[in-house]
Amino acid sequence: SYDLTQPPSVSVSPGQTTTITCSGDNLGNKYICWYQQKAGQSPVVVMFQDSKRPSGISERFSGFNSGITATLTISGTQTSDEADYYCQAWDSGTVIFGGGTKLTVL
Amino acid sequence: EVQLVESGGTLVQPGGSLRLSCVVSGFSFTTYWMHWVRQVPGKGLVWVSRIDNHGSGTTYADSVKGRFTISRDIAKNTVYLQMNSLRVEDTAVYFCVREVSALAGTGFDYWGQGTLVTVSS
Repeated sequence: SYDLTQPPSVSVSPGQTTTITCSGDNLGNKYICWYQQKAGQSPVVVMFQDSKRPSGISERFSGFNSGITATLTISGTQTSDEADYYCQAWDSGTVIFGGGTKLTVL
Repeated sequence: EVQLVESGGTLVQPGGSLRLSCVVSGFSFTTYWMHWVRQVPGKGLVWVSRIDNHGSGTTYADSVKGRFTISRDIAKNTVYLQMNSLRVEDTAVYFCVREVSALAGTGFDYWGQGTLVTVSS
């Protein structure tokens, strides 16, 4: 089965740049989406097709897929960005989520 | 306003059955593929199943294949997840999710609030 691997946690100070990675085989053949899930809430898509931001998502969020690793970058990280972040891809007609990365802003 | 409202989650014994419902509103139901995604409290997201916009095509995660059935009633604007032979490891919050479009990589733009299924004796 296909796997997407994310670091379990990332910690940054307010104002710093956050980088969350997502790795998997043949990422160059797949689109990656990213979801933000704050405590007690349903997930929200923050990036689709590797690097496109849905309307309403801050320009501080950006994405990139190098073919080896997909990256979600949050510039000027704010305390309100503290959440779990999940990458997601399609593989053989099924949907795969990464294990999630807990972003702590302190 | 787009809304997805799940219901049906409850406590059920191992081996039992349960049907989850997701009533949608605010968009053209026959335009979108719909999915179920589950999450054990405190753990990650796990995809369960999807159904195409007309209800003729379905796909399942290996962990639920043969036990769960996804369906949709266009007249009722409702997606269902029939869960049979339930196991303790099926315990999770189940989210009803809308896929943005048939274009590759567009992701899931609307999620319900989730309904909790607990499988325990």
